[in-house]
Amino acid sequence: SYVLSQPPSVSVAPGKTARITCEGNNIGSKGVHWYQQKPGQAPVVVIYYDSDRPSGIPERFSGSNSGNTATLTISRVEAGDEADYYCQVWDSSSAHYVFGPGTKVPVL
Amino acid sequence: QVQLVQSGSELKKPGASVKVSCKASGYTFTHHALSWVRQAPGQGLEWMGWINTDTANPAYAQGFTGRFVFSLDTSVSTAYLQISSLKSEDTAVYYCARDTTPYGPLHYWGQGTLVTVSS
Repeated sequence: SYVLSQPPSVSVAPGKTARITCEGNNIGSKGVHWYQQKPGQAPVVVIYYDSDRPSGIPERFSGSNSGNTATLTISRVEAGDEADYYCQVWDSSSAHYVFGPGTKVPVL
Repeated sequence: QVQLVQSGSELKKPGASVKVSCKASGYTFTHHALSWVRQAPGQGLEWMGWINTDTANPAYAQGFTGRFVFSLDTSVSTAYLQISSLKSEDTAVYYCARDTTPYGPLHYWGQGTLVTVSS
């Protein structure tokens, strides 16, 4: 089955840029979706299909995907961005959704 | 607007069964599959599988076969997750979620249902 890996934690100071990676075999050939989850809340899509942003999500959130790595970038980080972030793909070979293990982003 | 409203928290003893509901509104229920996602305490998101709301055909991810059953009542636009022979490791928040395009992102989520298994 398809496996995604993410760093457990990415620390960032307010106003700086956070980059969260999601690695998978030839992930560049798949559409990658990113979710933000705050404590006690359901996940929310912040980026879908690699780089599209849902309405209501700040432009500070952006995404890219190439080769074996997809990246979620959060620019000008704010305290309210502190959350867990998960990447997700559709694996057509198994006909399953696959989530990455998640990355905790503490804002220092 | 699209809403997925789940049933409330459950406390069950090991060996018992539980049925979690997910009531959909704001769209045509049979037009979008519904996924189920598990999140154990302090852990990440696990996709359990989904159910085709048009055909009622379920598909289960690895690790979620046998004791887990997805079902529907289309007359009330509701999907169900039933877990039998509960174990302590089934303690988790269970979410239902819906895509906007087939195999696309899960844009809509229920609020989650906490199932606690404890003697």
